[in-house]
Amino acid sequence: DSGVTQTPKHLITATGQRVTLRCSPRSGDLSVYWYQQSLDQGLQFLIQYYNGEERAKGNILERFSAQQFPDLHSELNLSSLELGDSALYFCASSVVDRGELFFGSGTQLSVL
Amino acid sequence: AQKVTQAQTEISVVEKEDVTLDCVYETRDTTYYLFWYKQPPSGELVFLIRRNSFDEQNEISGRYSWNFQKSTSSFNFTITASQVVDSAVYFCALNDRDDKIIFGKGTRLHILP
Repeated sequence: DSGVTQTPKHLITATGQRVTLRCSPRSGDLSVYWYQQSLDQGLQFLIQYYNGEERAKGNILERFSAQQFPDLHSELNLSSLELGDSALYFCASSVVDRGELFFGSGTQLSVL
Repeated sequence: AQKVTQAQTEISVVEKEDVTLDCVYETRDTTYYLFWYKQPPSGELVFLIRRNSFDEQNEISGRYSWNFQKSTSSFNFTITASQVVDSAVYFCALNDRDDKIIFGKGTRLHILP
């Protein structure tokens, strides 16, 4: 158990809908990272937050947004969902910059 | 720009054979970190090793060893006397000044009994 909690584990929704994925980092970790894993694209970095502030941004679509709250949990919001958004979404946390990432078990999103 | 290339998409070896997974990276920075992660069939991502750019010493941990060569921008991973439990997807990753941790596309390793 990595100590990182992601909910829900599975999510099935329809095109055009909006969903929210939630992540609770390990106790004491200030950094939260979001990744998207699809079969053809591998693990794609989406966004990183550090202590509530956006730190780095990857190839995150404009339909996607995220935030980190004062209690350090993070949410990833995906809107106007398309079939191609179906993927496994991972959250990870780390205690220091450039430290090892501890990954949650992921949220499997299926857009039908 | 950052880039991590794992040219081997899939490898199959027979149990007890040694296997090396290749990783080549690109970065403009002199200070960076390299990682290897394992993703077993259960799906979770497990940290294996972190190496900074100033430490070129090879590392051994049990049956696992890593060979870091800055001259060729490579950070290869070798499993000695492979076991069926080593079957997984292995990812190499890079973190430099941009603070993004970029992953390669992974190498799927099959260890055949």
